Amino acid sequence: DIQMTQSPSSLSASVGDRVTITCRANQGIRTDLGWYQQKPGKAPKRLIYAASTLQSGVPSRFSGSGSGTEFTLTISSLQPEDFATYYCLQHNSYPLTFGGGTKVEIK
Amino acid sequence: QLQLQESGPGLVKPSETLSLTCSVSGGSISGGTYYWGWIRQPPGKGLEWIGNIFYSGNTYYNPSLKSRVTMSVDTSKNQFSLKVSSLNAADTAVYYCARYVVGYSWDEPFDIWGQGTMVIVSS
Repeated sequence: DIQMTQSPSSLSASVGDRVTITCRANQGIRTDLGWYQQKPGKAPKRLIYAASTLQSGVPSRFSGSGSGTEFTLTISSLQPEDFATYYCLQHNSYPLTFGGGTKVEIK
Repeated sequence: QLQLQESGPGLVKPSETLSLTCSVSGGSISGGTYYWGWIRQPPGKGLEWIGNIFYSGNTYYNPSLKSRVTMSVDTSKNQFSLKVSSLNAADTAVYYCARYVVGYSWDEPFDIWGQGTMVIVSS
């Protein structure tokens, strides 16, 4: 199985901050990676697919990069509605595996 | 606008079998190159992929659950289903269904999700 290590597990940031979240795979997964945002009591929402393609309707302050084993999700200027938990998902091979999540909290 | 809706019992006894259904509206479960997936999330924890099914019945399961999981599709009802047997407390979770798009160059996993259904395993 491909293991996805996501870091940090949590962070505190202020509105307007630039935030970067990292996912590392224990083997190469090309760009077969997505990023999801989850707010309490809600289903996850896809932000990014194919490592760097922005989902339609998602604000451009979100961006993804990386290939192979290291990937990043960047929020260029954190907004109040961005406080949530973020997950990466690799779909290069079965079983599909999620990262452990990063909770973004208000500083 | 495609929508997914999970349904099933909120409370199940240990050792019993959980049966959940995901109803697809606004589109055909057998239209396009889609797999249909189940993902779960224990309270306060992260996401775990359970399995994917194609409308033809082809399935992929998480090996950690494979011996206890069965997925099926009913194209006449535009639904797909999940069964998890031999339940224990660790199966307590919110269960989500979601669409997985198979593309030419790359897949687009889980672009549309149901709202989720909470399942508690308890006597």
